[in-house]
Amino acid sequence: GENVEQHPSTLSVQEGDSAVIKCTYSDSASNYFPWYKQELGKRPQLIIDIRSNVGEKKDQRIAVTLNKTAKHFSLHITETQPEDSAVYFCAATIGGLIFGTGTRLQVFP
Amino acid sequence: GAVVSQHPSWVICKSGTSVKIECRSLDFQATTMFWYRQFPKQSLMLMATSNEGSKATYEQGVEKDKFLINHASLTLSTLTVTSAHPEDSSFYICSARGGRVWEQYFGPGTRLTVT
Repeated sequence: GENVEQHPSTLSVQEGDSAVIKCTYSDSASNYFPWYKQELGKRPQLIIDIRSNVGEKKDQRIAVTLNKTAKHFSLHITETQPEDSAVYFCAATIGGLIFGTGTRLQVFP
Repeated sequence: GAVVSQHPSWVICKSGTSVKIECRSLDFQATTMFWYRQFPKQSLMLMATSNEGSKATYEQGVEKDKFLINHASLTLSTLTVTSAHPEDSSFYICSARGGRVWEQYFGPGTRLTVT
């Protein structure tokens, strides 16, 4: 089955800096790669996603890149703000979502 | 649009009893629903996938006789935790997907505490 690894587990950045979170997946059949932000006790919130037929997608300060050959995808957040502080999860799927282990992002003012 | 509700939002039950959690898609028809479990400070783990009108498909390591899933209609799936034990205490989250849309819409989650 699918296995998703995520790094780093924690990430601290200064406000205004960029943050990058990386994930690798094992099943080459996976074709949908969403990223979620989750606050304590709340449901995951989709922040950006990418299909396997696309290499890069951007939405304002957030971008995702996908390398199908290497089976890895990354989340890039530019101009970070304190309200970006949360736990971020990547996922891969051909059906049910297989989540990475999560990254706790802290943005210091 | 694309709203998913869960009920109850939290429940406390005694060891050995059963608990039912409902997941509803309020404004779309969910051809597929998924159930996830999340322990404190951990990731979400896929438990099972259910398609309307057919038996659920469980992930490896998830006991199908303990976690009963019923997807009786295009808007409702239920998860019943049978003979609950303290180690079943967790945050249970459902998601729903409709038609050819890739995005999954998550419910708000149910926090189960077994005493």
